[in-house]
Amino acid sequence: KNEVEQSPQNLTAQEGEFITINCSYSVGISALHWLQQHPGGGIVSLFMLSSGKKKHGRLIATINIQEKHSSLHITASHPRDSAVYICASLNYGGATNKLIFGTGTLLAVQP
Amino acid sequence: SQTIHQWPATLVQPVGSPLSLECTVEGTSNPNLYWYRQAAGRGLQLLFYSVGIGQISSEVPQNLSASRPQDRQFILSSKKLLLSDSGFYLCAWTSAPPGTDTQYFGPGTRLTVL
Repeated sequence: KNEVEQSPQNLTAQEGEFITINCSYSVGISALHWLQQHPGGGIVSLFMLSSGKKKHGRLIATINIQEKHSSLHITASHPRDSAVYICASLNYGGATNKLIFGTGTLLAVQP
Repeated sequence: SQTIHQWPATLVQPVGSPLSLECTVEGTSNPNLYWYRQAAGRGLQLLFYSVGIGQISSEVPQNLSASRPQDRQFILSSKKLLLSDSGFYLCAWTSAPPGTDTQYFGPGTRLTVL
């Protein structure tokens, strides 16, 4: 069974700081998701990646398949980045695909 | 464009009462549909998934059930709620065939069982 762990669980940063959130998993996966959950509960998919690096605006996600590790970076952080960031491993299984979620990292960016 | 709706947004129910949560998807056909639960202080957990009308797979044994009466409708039900059923319930979809790289989540239903 795949275990997905995130660190840190809580993170407080000052506006403008560079932020890194880490995710590790225990078994081989098809891909890895990074999700953002806003205070109201809504979830938005940020990235899905199976190798290398992806960039969208100030967000960068990397994955190292051999080390079973992924990181989410936020450059020039802003208070509106405050949210829970969740990583989830994805395994393609027959007719559907399944996500196993980490418990999330609560990020607070202070002005 | 595709949209996903969940109803209701919040719900407070007494222990032992029935439950029905609805999820509908617009703008796509034959989606794979998922029900997740996020309990307080815990990560998201997959409860059910469906690849077609009437086809339901359960991931975790519990007192909940799911049904898919129409292609773009997914319903989560219970005959008698438990305190432990409290949580945030999310519906999600991916397009068929499998392998699509994004799961799209609904706005969620916050359920409190008293």
